[in-house]
Amino acid sequence: KQEVTQIPAALSVPEGENLVLNCSFTDSAIYNLQWFRQDPGKGLTSLLLIQSSQREQTSGRLNASLDKSSGRSTLYIAASQPGDSATYLCAVWAGAGSYQLTFGKGTKLSVIP
Amino acid sequence: GAGVSQTPSNKVTEKGKYVELRCDPISGHTALYWYRQSLGQGPEFLIYFQGTGAADDSGLPNDRFFAVRPEGSVSTLKIQRTERGDSAVYLCASSLLNTGELFFGEGSRLTVL
Repeated sequence: KQEVTQIPAALSVPEGENLVLNCSFTDSAIYNLQWFRQDPGKGLTSLLLIQSSQREQTSGRLNASLDKSSGRSTLYIAASQPGDSATYLCAVWAGAGSYQLTFGKGTKLSVIP
Repeated sequence: GAGVSQTPSNKVTEKGKYVELRCDPISGHTALYWYRQSLGQGPEFLIYFQGTGAADDSGLPNDRFFAVRPEGSVSTLKIQRTERGDSAVYLCASSLLNTGELFFGEGSRLTVL
């Protein structure tokens, strides 16, 4: 059974810092990995999708990498802003007839002005 | 609208009552998913529809939970004889199947008293 772990569970940084969020998964046979952002009391916003054949994806100040063989992904946020404060979730999709995303519990990020 | 729409946003009910939660996916998305998120946890898969049929309902916790998508667009999640343990945020997502990228709604927060 696929398990997804996100470390740390919470992170507080001063505005302007670069930071890295970590995601690990136990079964490397994944089809893709997706990073989401969730604001309090809200739904999930898709940030980046990395296909299993890709190593990384970039969107603005965000860069996500994927190392499938080691079961790890990182989300790098450059020049953090208070508006980046949210919970960040990663999820993996096994594909091959499975349509279930398996999520981690998330990392709660606070960016202090 | 352009995104996934869920109603109601909040539902408070009494133990033993029947509840319906509605999801209107992004136009043109053939795949529709229901997830459930408890406080401090990542979302957990409930059911997946491809068109009108439930292709994977393995995440439904028991037979009190049922979902339909009669015309291949709007879906309704139905919960009979609600229990306090059903309290959670119920999230709906849709996707174009071949991309695997899910887009989530804002969720329906269910509270069972």
